Amino acid sequence: SQTIHQWPATLVQPVGSPLSLECTVEGTSNPNLYWYRQAAGRGLQLLFYSVGIGQISSEVPQNLSASRPQDRQFILSSKKLLLSDSGFYLCAHLGEGARAEAFFGQGTRLTVV
Amino acid sequence: AQTVTQSQPEMSVQEAETVTLSCTYDTSENNYYLFWYKQPPSRQMILVIRQEAYKQQNATENRFSVNFQKAAKSFSLKISDSQLGDTAMYFCAFTGNDMRFGAGTRLTVKP
Repeated sequence: SQTIHQWPATLVQPVGSPLSLECTVEGTSNPNLYWYRQAAGRGLQLLFYSVGIGQISSEVPQNLSASRPQDRQFILSSKKLLLSDSGFYLCAHLGEGARAEAFFGQGTRLTVV
Repeated sequence: AQTVTQSQPEMSVQEAETVTLSCTYDTSENNYYLFWYKQPPSRQMILVIRQEAYKQQNATENRFSVNFQKAAKSFSLKISDSQLGDTAMYFCAFTGNDMRFGAGTRLTVKP
């Protein structure tokens, strides 16, 4: 079965510190992978998506970046966090079978202080 | 780029009644999927219902059904016999070359 792991679940970081959130997928190969951010009580904003190793599409220009070093690994990073980077981050991938369903990680609640 | 619009930020309904959440989208693609997801306070994303664009028949899952109007690019969700456990954020989503979500509708079911 397809599963997606995302960690950490909760993170408190000071302004200016770096960030690394990791997402890995099991049970599938060459998945389409996505990073979203959700502000409190708001919708999911697509940040990055990747259709393959080293292929990253950026939706929103900001101080975040994404990388896909392996087929089933997707990393969200920042060199220097801003207060406005606080939010709930979700990793997701599209299931097999002609985009049958989206699978989500547990999410990371990031608080920048 | 694809866009998904949910024009109702908040809605409420009495328990056992019916409520309809609206969603419109914009795309130039012909083959795609549409979804409704439910997000309770736990923040977990739960698939409610799925519609393939090439199917004319509206999808139905128990108390949940959709009204899919492809020409109008409309995809509304009807919840029948609303239950207290239906209280949550509901997101409409589109998957084509990427996967995009609407801003969400906060639904409250009142006893």
